[in-house]
Amino acid sequence: EDKVVQSPLSLVVHEGDTVTLNCSYEVTNFRSLLWYKQEKKAPTFLFMLTSSGIEKKSGRLSSILDKKELFSILNITATQTGDSAIYLCAVIIQGAQKLVFGQGTRLTINP
Amino acid sequence: EPEVTQTPSHQVTQMGQEVILRCVPISNHLYFYWYRQILGQKVEFLVSFYNNEISEKSEIFDDQFSVERPDGSNFTLKIRSTKLEDSAMYFCASSVRGQVWAGGINEQYFGPGTRLTVT
Repeated sequence: EDKVVQSPLSLVVHEGDTVTLNCSYEVTNFRSLLWYKQEKKAPTFLFMLTSSGIEKKSGRLSSILDKKELFSILNITATQTGDSAIYLCAVIIQGAQKLVFGQGTRLTINP
Repeated sequence: EPEVTQTPSHQVTQMGQEVILRCVPISNHLYFYWYRQILGQKVEFLVSFYNNEISEKSEIFDDQFSVERPDGSNFTLKIRSTKLEDSAMYFCASSVRGQVWAGGINEQYFGPGTRLTVT
């Protein structure tokens, strides 16, 4: 069975801290990994990673994939209260239309 | 910026009733999806739809569920006889092309969801 596991499930930090969120996967025929941010409702797209070792960056957020060890990390530096959300990791399987999601990490940034 | 919309935002229904959840995908998108998220659990894939037919479905998507594109803009999910365990947030998503195609990967854009409560 295809599996995506995120850790930690919940994280509370102070504004200005740096956080690292983890996503590991065990799937048949991996194609790509995606990170989404879910605030109130709709997950919004952050990154898509297909190749190992190439960092994707957007402002204070960055992410990297390790296809040998089967995981990805999402880093957020200088966190702000607006970064509080659930961060979802999802994997695309070769030839499939669906996304396989992890259970999410609930990140809370306290002022 | 174009977005996926869903109606209603919240639906309460009694067990055994039929419900129809509605979605308007982004206008130039060709692939449509339904996912659900039971409270406190993972987002789970239900079905993908292309060219007026189901292209993939999960084991959750049994005979109680059906999807339809009744016109050029709407995409609906029907649950024929709702059960308590159908209570969840239902997300519609769309993408320009299929998830994986010769040119690369297409991200899926998600709607805000419909919270279905079955009592």
